[in-house]
Amino acid sequence: AQTVTQSQPEMSVQEAETVTLSCTYDTSENNYYLFWYKQPPSRQMILVIRQEAYKQQNATENRFSVNFQKAAKSFSLKISDSQLGDTAMYFCALLTEGGSEKLVFGKGTKLTVNP
Amino acid sequence: DTAVSQTPKYLVTQMGNDKSIKCEQNLGHDTMYWYKQDSKKFLKIMFSYNNKELIINETVPNRFSPKSPDKAHLNLHINSLELGDSAVYFCASSQRSGATEAFFGQGTRLTVV
Repeated sequence: AQTVTQSQPEMSVQEAETVTLSCTYDTSENNYYLFWYKQPPSRQMILVIRQEAYKQQNATENRFSVNFQKAAKSFSLKISDSQLGDTAMYFCALLTEGGSEKLVFGKGTKLTVNP
Repeated sequence: DTAVSQTPKYLVTQMGNDKSIKCEQNLGHDTMYWYKQDSKKFLKIMFSYNNKELIINETVPNRFSPKSPDKAHLNLHINSLELGDSAVYFCASSQRSGATEAFFGQGTRLTVV
């Protein structure tokens, strides 16, 4: 079975600073994908960044980057130069290939960016 | 154009009623899903369809019945609604090959009173 754990229910950061959200996962599959989704108060689920497990290079999307540690099964999200619009729930998710192809989500981290 | 659209966005209904939530995607994806987000924001898959065929049914009460008339639509019908069914229901779609990310609809907030 696949599991995703986000150990930080809530976090806060000052505008323009950097914050890191933690995620660990467990799977016995070799081929899988990891995602961070953002859910602002509007409720829409928005993909922030994705990482293929076979790629060693950490994914980057503008101010968002990940630290993917495959051996440790860790997948943290770093947000640089935090903006007020980054305030949202952030969900880490795991998708495995070859089995039942469903996204397994962590319980989320509520991030608040303070002015 | 909205990629994955669900209707309605809000639904308030009494216990015991039957209701449906509709979902359509215009992305040409093969696979569609229903997820449930509970009051603690936890997201859990309910169903997955690939080319109109059910491939995942995650221990959901049989009061919930998905229907996929074609691969662009996946509707969710719920019979005999209970208080515990109150939640946000998300439809999503993805391209199965290559395991790409899922695109989500805006969610339907169901409140059973």
